[in-house]
Amino acid sequence: NAGVTQTPKFQVLKTGQSMTLQCAQDMNHEYMSWYRQDPGMGLRLIHYSVGAGITDQGEVPNGYNVSRSTTEDFPLRLLSAAPSQTSVYFCASSPGLAGELFFGEGSRLTVL
Amino acid sequence: GNSVTQMEGPVTLSEEAFLTINCTYTATGYPSLFWYVQYPGEGLQLLLKATKADDKGSNKGFEATYRKETTSFHLEKGSVQVSDSAVYFCALRSSSNNNDMRFGAGTRLTVKP
Repeated sequence: NAGVTQTPKFQVLKTGQSMTLQCAQDMNHEYMSWYRQDPGMGLRLIHYSVGAGITDQGEVPNGYNVSRSTTEDFPLRLLSAAPSQTSVYFCASSPGLAGELFFGEGSRLTVL
Repeated sequence: GNSVTQMEGPVTLSEEAFLTINCTYTATGYPSLFWYVQYPGEGLQLLLKATKADDKGSNKGFEATYRKETTSFHLEKGSVQVSDSAVYFCALRSSSNNNDMRFGAGTRLTVKP
């Protein structure tokens, strides 16, 4: 019953550092995505993937990279962290291009 | 592009009160509509959904009807409980927008005993 698993749950970075947020799903879902959640703004889409080897940008992609080498994994990379990237990050997946998304528990990132 | 507008919170109710959280949307085509709930420190969980006009989604006493004529999907519950305290998000997903899911800003509900 793992579903969507995100690591780490908490992370503190200094400005300019890089890191990778990991996301894995065990439901064989083709679609995966990353959102950031900020107070009063709901969830905003960063990047998404419709299958292994295919990625595309969402609403707020700047400062983030993704790759999708397998169906299961969809890591999010911060190349040079900035305080504006302080947020809660959610990974989500779905079996196809329609229907509900299944969410991980979130990763809280603080950039000092 | 597609967008979702929710009533602003926070909303504070007494136990057993009636709940309405308004949600309206802008979209081309025929989106699917969703309500998600987020309890403190957790991820989002699907509460209910509707995939076509006039469909009613329901779960755990919550209901919402997909109204295409008013582009609305308001969430209702007849008698709230303390355990319903959470943040509620209205969302839509449409093939006309790369199948992205778009979320409203969220409405925080607090139910007092």
